[in-house]
Amino acid sequence: EVQLLESGGGLVQPGGSLRLSCAASGFTFSSYAMSWVRQAPGKGLEWVSAISGSGGSTYYADSVKGRFTISRDNSKNTLNLQMNSLRDEDTAVYYCARRVAVAGRIESWGQGTLVTVSS
Amino acid sequence: EIVLTQSPGTLSLSPGERATLSCRASQSVSSNFLAWYQQKPGQAPRLLIYGASSRATGIPDRFSGSGSGTDFTLTISRLEPEDFAVYYCQQYGSSPPDTFGLGTKLEIK
Repeated sequence: EVQLLESGGGLVQPGGSLRLSCAASGFTFSSYAMSWVRQAPGKGLEWVSAISGSGGSTYYADSVKGRFTISRDNSKNTLNLQMNSLRDEDTAVYYCARRVAVAGRIESWGQGTLVTVSS
Repeated sequence: EIVLTQSPGTLSLSPGERATLSCRASQSVSSNFLAWYQQKPGQAPRLLIYGASSRATGIPDRFSGSGSGTDFTLTISRLEPEDFAVYYCQQYGSSPPDTFGLGTKLEIK
C-alpha cells in the first residue's frame, strides 16, 4: 500500500523558514516523480513544486521560485521542501504527492501538513 | 499557462440524481491529460479520472469522464451519499506547472 506521511509543519513568523518532509513507503520511491501541492484555508489546490525520480530535474511555481527548494533522498525514501522567506500567503496545508512522471497525473496524496505564517 | 474554469461553483442535488460537472480550459489540453479529483472535508484529494476518461483504480463505475480539447465533463450517474464533496479538474500534460480548476462543490439538496 502506498503511504505518504508529511511532517514539519507549524507556526512560523513572516520571513522565517521551515522544512517539510514526506516519508514514502509501499513503492519504489526512486521510480516516481513527486510533487508538493498546497491548499490555503477554504481555497482550492495550487501546485507548488515537482521533482523527477532521480532528483535531477526540479520545477517551481512562480509564486515560490527563489524561496522554496525541493529535494529528495532516494536512499531514505524521503521528499523535502525547504521553505525560506515565508509570507502570509504561504499559509496552507501542504500535500506530498506521487505522480507517474514529472508532468504525469497525481496518483497518490499524503494527508498534508499545515503551515501557518503569522506574526 | 492553461486556466481551467469549472462550473457550476455549487451544485445542489439529491441522492439518486445525476450530476454533471464541467471543466473548460483556456487552450487545448495536450493528449487529453485532464484529471478529476474528489476531496471531502479534512481529507486529501483522491484521483477519480485521468486521461479525461479513464477511471482510477477502485473508482466505482458511476463516475465517468468525457471530453477533449478544451471542454471536459465529469458525470456521476446516480449520486450516493458519500459522493457529496468538492471536485477539482487538473491539467497535467504540458510541462509544469500543473493547473487546477477552482472546484465544484456538490452538496445535498
